[in-house]
Amino acid sequence: KAGVTQTPRYLIKTRGQQVTLSCSPISGHRSVSWYQQTPGQGLQFLFEYFSETQRNKGNFPGRFSGRQFSNSRSEMNVSTLELGDSALYLCASSWLLTGDSPLHFGNGTRLTVT
Amino acid sequence: AQSVTQLGSHVSVSEGALVLLRCNYSSSVPPYLFWYVQYPNQGLQLLLKYTSAATLVKGINGFEAEFKKSETSFHLTKPSAHMSDAAEYFCAVSAGGSNYKLTFGKGTLLTVNP
Repeated sequence: KAGVTQTPRYLIKTRGQQVTLSCSPISGHRSVSWYQQTPGQGLQFLFEYFSETQRNKGNFPGRFSGRQFSNSRSEMNVSTLELGDSALYLCASSWLLTGDSPLHFGNGTRLTVT
Repeated sequence: AQSVTQLGSHVSVSEGALVLLRCNYSSSVPPYLFWYVQYPNQGLQLLLKYTSAATLVKGINGFEAEFKKSETSFHLTKPSAHMSDAAEYFCAVSAGGSNYKLTFGKGTLLTVNP
């Protein structure tokens, strides 16, 4: 069974631009979560979707948004990029609906904002 | 609200020595606890999880962790370190229920010396 696939692996953008990251979950998984990883802040929760509905949202500005499609694939968008948005963005999927279900992570998209 | 504290951002051991990575948590409800490992340029991989069954949890690659409620700890151990164990390790807590938000510690970088 294929794992979580994130595309692209690397992105370089300029301040003020916007970017869209894509995530394909493990087949059959309906929950997709996004995390931002930086050396200073560590892993921070962005949002979580289940069946196309956002169920949880982290403490990020409105420039960060996401969505989930009917096939469970998810995208996140960051508008008006800032230098501080440079990070590894990780997507994770899960099968069950409970908090004891482990997350399965993709290899991430490394975003560099110049 | 929940939180995780990992004591020691960097731990260095010799090959064959005991590995001990410390994790303390704070949660207002009985928690679910996880340890993940991250190798360079990869996403996070689940090592083990505690979900209120046995307090001593065995995971992959010879790792195990013991849940101690009185100490609010969930330390990760491995009797004998191998060079391939060199990676960053993250402890995480979930509040359970339908809450899919994992709160991660800052991570501990494990170095294994020959």
